Amino acid sequence: IAGITQAPTSQILAAGRRMTLRCTQDMRHNAMYWYRQDLGLGLRLIHYSNTAGTTGKGEVPDGYSVSRANTDDFPLTLASAVPSQTSVYFCASSAAGNTEAFFGQGTRLTVV
Amino acid sequence: GESVGLHLPTLSVQEGDNSIINCAYSNSASDYFIWYKQESGKGPQFIIDIRSNMDKRQGQRVTVLLNKTVKHLSLQIAATQPGDSAVYFCAETPDSSYKLIFGSGTRLLVRP
Repeated sequence: IAGITQAPTSQILAAGRRMTLRCTQDMRHNAMYWYRQDLGLGLRLIHYSNTAGTTGKGEVPDGYSVSRANTDDFPLTLASAVPSQTSVYFCASSAAGNTEAFFGQGTRLTVV
Repeated sequence: GESVGLHLPTLSVQEGDNSIINCAYSNSASDYFIWYKQESGKGPQFIIDIRSNMDKRQGQRVTVLLNKTVKHLSLQIAATQPGDSAVYFCAETPDSSYKLIFGSGTRLLVRP
């Protein structure tokens, strides 16, 4: 089934540990995004990528890094997790210039 | 599981009535304004968009209105159904990149 896949679905992580959230899409979309969704705060953009090989900072990039080595994959790395990074993380993709973004099912991350 | 906050404003409507969900935005330079729907435990799903040079656009049972004078966006849902119960987010494309920035959400509850 075509779409966007995130892994893991959920994770409990000790503070200070490194973690990579995976995101893969098979729609050949140029643009990809990472958002975090906290209780009561809606979705906030962490990083985005317009096309393979380029990335950009969103609203809340600190503590996170991304890479876009190819069109399909857009991993999000937390170098040293802190409790304030406890959230639900959503990856999304869209075709170039298209406002319709397709979202994954989310990764629920708890940092303790 | 619950993926959105408990502190979102809530609109409660009777099944069959029309719903109007509002959003205020701040960036006058945004090119597109978009509405997304998020059901519990899922990622957001695209509903409809409107370009900044338009003031109204209609879809299937939905209408989006844009008032640039007061920087206001609204989503009207005709004959609201139980399946419309969800959290609704407005979003915008603030510049020429493919960034998609989400605004505040509203929880819609449909009473049978």
